[in-house]
This record gives sequence, structure tokens and C-alpha cells, in this order.
Amino acid sequence: GQNIDQPTEMTATEGAIVQINCTYQTSGFNGLFWYQQHAGEAPTFLSYNVLDGLEEKGRFSSFLSRSKGYSYLLLKELQMKDSASYLCAPRNSGYALNFGKGTSLLVTP
Amino acid sequence: IAGITQAPTSQILAAGRRMTLRCTQDMRHNAMYWYRQDLGLGLRLIHYSNTAGTTGKGEVPDGYSVSRANTDDFPLTLASAVPSQTSVYFCASSAGLAGSDTQYFGPGTRLTVL
Repeated sequence: GQNIDQPTEMTATEGAIVQINCTYQTSGFNGLFWYQQHAGEAPTFLSYNVLDGLEEKGRFSSFLSRSKGYSYLLLKELQMKDSASYLCAPRNSGYALNFGKGTSLLVTP
Repeated sequence: IAGITQAPTSQILAAGRRMTLRCTQDMRHNAMYWYRQDLGLGLRLIHYSNTAGTTGKGEVPDGYSVSRANTDDFPLTLASAVPSQTSVYFCASSAGLAGSDTQYFGPGTRLTVL
């Protein structure tokens, strides 16, 4: 099995910065995805990391440390529409994406 | 471009009935997947197909079957539905099975088995 650990819930203020952490243990490693999922909707792709370091994409950045089994998603200049669940999904050496239970982020005015 | 479509959007089903959830993609993706999402458990892989004509079992395959007769369609069948199969079902597709191949999700089917 795969162990993926993310905080269950987080709250942050509009305009602020929030970091969502994810630790994982997988049998083999073939990259890590972050997805965003609004309530009642499908997950949508945010980022992919396969090498150590930071990948920046607009207001969203994602970091990976393979040796530590650790990733984080950084959201800057938070907007109300960023209220959603954020899913960490490491990929093992085969085909499978292994999804964490997700972090529910609430952005408040 | 529609991407991935799923039907029905939602369904209430009596236990013991047979049900097929439909999934179609127009991106010519080779790989397709079925997940179920339950509160507190996250997304779990049911079955997958890495190319037309082949299928494989995921984490929670029992009670479900799939077929992949062509590239575009990947139906999921519940032969005899049980209440524990009440869930939201997502179909996804990716270009292939390479590490960087992103999975794109359909809008989901909300299934209730009574």
C-alpha cells in the first residue's frame, strides 16, 4: 500500500500565502502530481514534479524532495475561488497515481 | 473539444440491479481509468486500461468490470449493485502511462445504491 499524509483542513485569509504539505511513501517513485478539486466537481491538474526543487506556475508553486518523501503546494495571493480541496498524488514505479485524502482549504475574506 | 464525458450524471439504483456507467473521451488518449471517491477515503482506482483491448485491476476492483473495445470508450459495469458501491465515480484518461502523463478527469457520476 501507499502512505500519503496531508493535513485534513486549512484556513487562510484572502491575499495571504498558504503552504500545503504532503509526505508520502511509495513503492518506487515516478513523479508527483497536485490536483485541485472544487466541491461537487472533478479534480483538475495543477502541477507535476519529478525532480527535486521548486516548480513555479503563476500563483501556484510546487516543491519536491524525493529523499525526504516530501512535497508542498504553495498558493500565493489567495483568492476566494481558491477554496477547494488539494490532492497530493505521487506516482509509483508502475502506472498508478496514488491519491491522498486531500486538504480542504477555506479562504476567508 | 469535449474532453471526457460521463453518463449518467447521477443515478439511484436498487440493490441487486445491473448498472453501466459510461465514459467517452475525444482526446485520443491511450490510457483510461475509473476511480471512486468516498468521503474520508479519497480517490481509489477501480480498473484501468493502458490501450484499447487491454484492462487491468486497480486497488478496489471487486464487484466491477470494464471493457475497452475502442480508444474512446471505457464503460464500467456493476453486475449486481450493493449499497457499499454508493459513491462518486470519476473516469479519467491520459496520453499514456509515462510518469509525466497527466490524468484528466470527467465530471463524475454520483451513484446511490439503496
